Amino acid sequence: DTGVSQDPRHKITKRGQNVTFRCDPISEHNRLYWYRQTLGQGPEFLTYFQNEAQLEKSRLLSDRFSAERPKGSFSTLEIQRTEQGDSAMYLCASRQSGGGTTNEKLFFGSGTQLSVL
Amino acid sequence: GQQVMQIPQYQHVQEGEDFTTYCNSSTTLSNIQWYKQRPGGHPVFLIQLVKSGEVKKQKRLTFQFGEAKKNSSLHITATQTTDVGTYFCAGRLSKLIFGQGTTLQVKP
Repeated sequence: DTGVSQDPRHKITKRGQNVTFRCDPISEHNRLYWYRQTLGQGPEFLTYFQNEAQLEKSRLLSDRFSAERPKGSFSTLEIQRTEQGDSAMYLCASRQSGGGTTNEKLFFGSGTQLSVL
Repeated sequence: GQQVMQIPQYQHVQEGEDFTTYCNSSTTLSNIQWYKQRPGGHPVFLIQLVKSGEVKKQKRLTFQFGEAKKNSSLHITATQTTDVGTYFCAGRLSKLIFGQGTTLQVKP
């Protein structure tokens, strides 16, 4: 399977605990994005990487959230001291940049569903 | 902040009827993309529109990008049960911003 992989698919945690999610993008894609989606809403941008560099981070993202892509391949998203409001689907997407505006198709993974009790 | 608004939120149609969802931005977009998300699934890319006034067709789906590059629409002709899902537009500003989506239910 050469798609975007996310692990785990589901995570249940207690409020105050830390959680970490992993995303493996399509191997030739240099851009990796994290989105958050709640029920009835569209994906909300969190952050993105080009290779290992984190180029943009949403202003809505609190300092409890941190993301890394240390070798420009897989990425991790960590949430510290989780709150009930963090419950959501966390989606990872990837694409290859450099095609101008004609090829900006995002490939999404299946997501990690986080439930904070 | 930058927003992309999408209407309606829900649409129930009888199989064979047409369906349209509309997307609007307060600012000019570089391009607009459309995605479909099946129940329990993840967004899947459908198409990207770049040029002012652009119209693209995929079988029964017709996508339009407004002249001012601030609005877009997706029209499905003669809906089928396989069209069920949520359709999202995503406008490119400095980053890709998704609308709230239109959830389509098709009654057989």
